[in-house]
Amino acid sequence: GESVGLHLPTLSVQEGDNSIINCAYSNSASDYFIWYKQESGKGPQFIIDIRSNMDKRQGQRVTVLLNKTVKHLSLQIAATQPGDSAVYFCAENRGGGSQGNLIFGKGTKLSVKP
Amino acid sequence: ETGVTQTPRHLVMGMTNKKSLKCEQHLGHNAMYWYKQSAKKPLELMFVYSLEERVENNSVPSRFSPECPNSSHLFLHLHTLQPEDSALYLCASSQDSFTPSGNTIYFGEGSWLTVV
Repeated sequence: GESVGLHLPTLSVQEGDNSIINCAYSNSASDYFIWYKQESGKGPQFIIDIRSNMDKRQGQRVTVLLNKTVKHLSLQIAATQPGDSAVYFCAENRGGGSQGNLIFGKGTKLSVKP
Repeated sequence: ETGVTQTPRHLVMGMTNKKSLKCEQHLGHNAMYWYKQSAKKPLELMFVYSLEERVENNSVPSRFSPECPNSSHLFLHLHTLQPEDSALYLCASSQDSFTPSGNTIYFGEGSWLTVV
């Protein structure tokens, strides 16, 4: 069935290195994508979003890349820091504009080694 | 501090109990949501309220009953729950209930529910 998913459930990186977290989606009608960060014991926190008419968007130390051809979304974190350790979720909006169409992936746990 | 406050943070209840989860948002948003987060599943949308009216109910069992008395407050009333209902229940809000770019959903810290 159609779903949002992640290639890797866990990712371990060295402090200072760049991190890349991947997400696959299967609905070609999805028009909006969001990355969330969830630290232990906290609710998900918005990181960055991208619309389907873009293929790249940059924020502070983060970049989201969208490849609609292969239905792939990635989050790149530059110079990863210990405070980046968390679970990262991608979410896709499957059209229609309603928040009810926002589908979340299971998440990738990022661990940063000092 | 996200501007969305949930109480209680932890709740243990028996299967015959009645309890309620409370959410308050201080962001002036018009839409509020309940999500369920289980250990091995993605975030699941339960209810959507827009301007205090329920606009979405994702086939949630009737033992979960939402209430939205005004645009700043949202409750989830719990009655005769099952152990499999144990999860993190997240409240969220956004400016409105549509998702154009910039209409970010802000989550609370969640209420950890254990049903025994």
